[in-house]
Amino acid sequence: GEDVEQSLFLSVREGDSSVINCTYTDSSSTYLYWYKQEPGAGLQLLTYIFSNMDMKQDQRLTVLLNKKDKHLSLRIADTQTGDSAIYFCAAKTDKLIFGTGTRLQVFP
Amino acid sequence: AAGVIQSPRHLIKEKRETATLKCYPIPRHDTVYWYQQGPGQDPQFLISFYEKMQSDKGSIPDRFSAQQFSDYHSELNMSSLELGDSALYFCASSLGAPGTGLYEQYFGPGTRLTVT
Repeated sequence: GEDVEQSLFLSVREGDSSVINCTYTDSSSTYLYWYKQEPGAGLQLLTYIFSNMDMKQDQRLTVLLNKKDKHLSLRIADTQTGDSAIYFCAAKTDKLIFGTGTRLQVFP
Repeated sequence: AAGVIQSPRHLIKEKRETATLKCYPIPRHDTVYWYQQGPGQDPQFLISFYEKMQSDKGSIPDRFSAQQFSDYHSELNMSSLELGDSALYFCASSLGAPGTGLYEQYFGPGTRLTVT
């Protein structure tokens, strides 16, 4: 079955860019998603990319997809303290499979 | 805009008791998904329903059952609760049959179940 992996932690200074990486195993994944989870809160859909796209930009968010390497990344430009959260990538085949989550910590 | 509603938000039960979690999808959404997120874990898919029929099943224990009603709300019934069932249970809803292209799952705030 699908396996989605992420690095566990990322710490950046406010104003810098953050890059969160994700790898997946099932090449038949049609859509790939990024969700944000703040402490004690639900999952907020941030953005998604279709598997035939290489890049998608949405304001401060840029998603890059390398389908050959099955590698997905989320870049957050001008990272703010409010961006501190856990970020999950998820791959869709017939259901959503979530990655392990990356805890982003932004310090002043 | 209306979001996914889950109730209760917090629930404390003892071992071997039963619990019922409720989910009210976004209006017009016909698909409901249940996820379990243990402490420090990623959400694990449990089960989904499309148009009141079970559409997919994940790692849901036999002690759990769920259904979707005619108004599209869903209930997750959990019996013989164990300490390991303590987790955050998310419901998500989307429009359209699972597997039919892009479906944006909108998540509810979750129900935190604590089993003592």
